[in-house]
Amino acid sequence: AQSVTQLDSHVSVSEGTPVLLRCNYSSSYSPSLFWYVQHPNKGLQLLLKYTSAATLVKGINGFEAEFKKSETSFHLTKPSAHMSDAAEYFCVVKKDGANNLFFGTGTRLTVIP
Amino acid sequence: DGGITQSPKYLFRKEGQNVTLSCEQNLNHDAMYWYRQDPGQGLRLIYYSQIVNDFQKGDIAEGYSVSREKKESFPLTVTSAQKNPTAFYLCASSIAQYTEAFFGQGTRLTVV
Repeated sequence: AQSVTQLDSHVSVSEGTPVLLRCNYSSSYSPSLFWYVQHPNKGLQLLLKYTSAATLVKGINGFEAEFKKSETSFHLTKPSAHMSDAAEYFCVVKKDGANNLFFGTGTRLTVIP
Repeated sequence: DGGITQSPKYLFRKEGQNVTLSCEQNLNHDAMYWYRQDPGQGLRLIYYSQIVNDFQKGDIAEGYSVSREKKESFPLTVTSAQKNPTAFYLCASSIAQYTEAFFGQGTRLTVV
């Protein structure tokens, strides 16, 4: 069975400091993993994806994530937070060959000026 | 521009009424999905369709119905049987053999 756990429901950082949003997954198969961002009352936008190529994945807006199989983790990072990064972030796992995405419960990122 | 269009953005429904949410895509994607989002619960799959004239129940299909008569369209009907319909509804699509989904901007349904 697939599942995904986002370890923090809320993360608060100061503008210009690093961002770390944590995600652990469980999967019986080699998973595809994603991070999506959602601004208030908007749809979800894909930040980045891992599909068994390079373990360090670079996404949009300066975000990146590292797939660590031994730790079953796919944490999202950014070296320096901007005010515009304040949003809800979802870690998502998809089983290969299936049309279903398993969403974490989300992490709300607050950026303090 | 290619994308997914959901309408309306806000929808109010009286108790006991059925209401239909629209989702249209011009990405030529085979697969389409409906998700429900509640605070603190992430997204839960209601229905999905991999091809025209075919659809499957997701995790929380009770009280909902869908149709897929055209590749571009995947409307969701929230019926009076849905006990707690107030939520944010998101439609998505993907190319069947690829993995990422593209999302619409959502419809916020409120029962009054």
